[in-house]
Amino acid sequence: GNSVTQMEGPVTLSEEAFLTINCTYTATGYPSLFWYVQYPGEGLQLLLKATKADDKGSNKGFEATYRKETTSFHLEKGSVQVSDSAVYFCALNYTGTASKLTFGTGTRLQVTL
Amino acid sequence: NAGVTQTPKFQVLKTGQSMTLQCAQDMNHNSMYWYRQDPGMGLRLIYYSASEGTTDKGEVPNGYNVSRLNKREFSLRLESAAPSQTSVYFCASSWTLYNSPLHFGNGTRLTVT
Repeated sequence: GNSVTQMEGPVTLSEEAFLTINCTYTATGYPSLFWYVQYPGEGLQLLLKATKADDKGSNKGFEATYRKETTSFHLEKGSVQVSDSAVYFCALNYTGTASKLTFGTGTRLQVTL
Repeated sequence: NAGVTQTPKFQVLKTGQSMTLQCAQDMNHNSMYWYRQDPGMGLRLIYYSASEGTTDKGEVPNGYNVSRLNKREFSLRLESAAPSQTSVYFCASSWTLYNSPLHFGNGTRLTVT
């Protein structure tokens, strides 16, 4: 079946550091890939998405490229801020079936001054 | 813009008690979902409703029932709560089941003693 594997957290960075959160997936066919973010006390929000190989999703300075050859969708940001502290979830949706997103376990990011 | 509204925000139950979690969305979305979030396990789908009048089981439906009351509302019922149902519950909605981003509520923290 489909699965998503994320790097374990927590990830602790100083403000303005470079961020990478790794995500790899297992799926048949051509899934769509997503990053969701959960700020403290809130529900998840869509951060970015990519629907086909080599697509790059981007939003709020975050980027992720759909790499079919390595089955990866790593999240990057060039310079993190304290306000980016949150839990980040990688997810996939196998288009053509019910939209039952398969989520990774989440990676907590803590950014300090 | 309310988006997805869940009530209550917090609830404590004794084993064997019943309760209903309420969810309403004002975005005219067709599809709605109930997830639970547990530490180290990401989000797991309990039930979903592709459209008004339909409901289907997700990954972890045992011990739960749902009702899609109308297009706006999708409730989750625990008939006889168990400690294993201690979790944070999220309702979500989307335009359709196919490849559309989910919009989440802020969650209900449920503790069963």
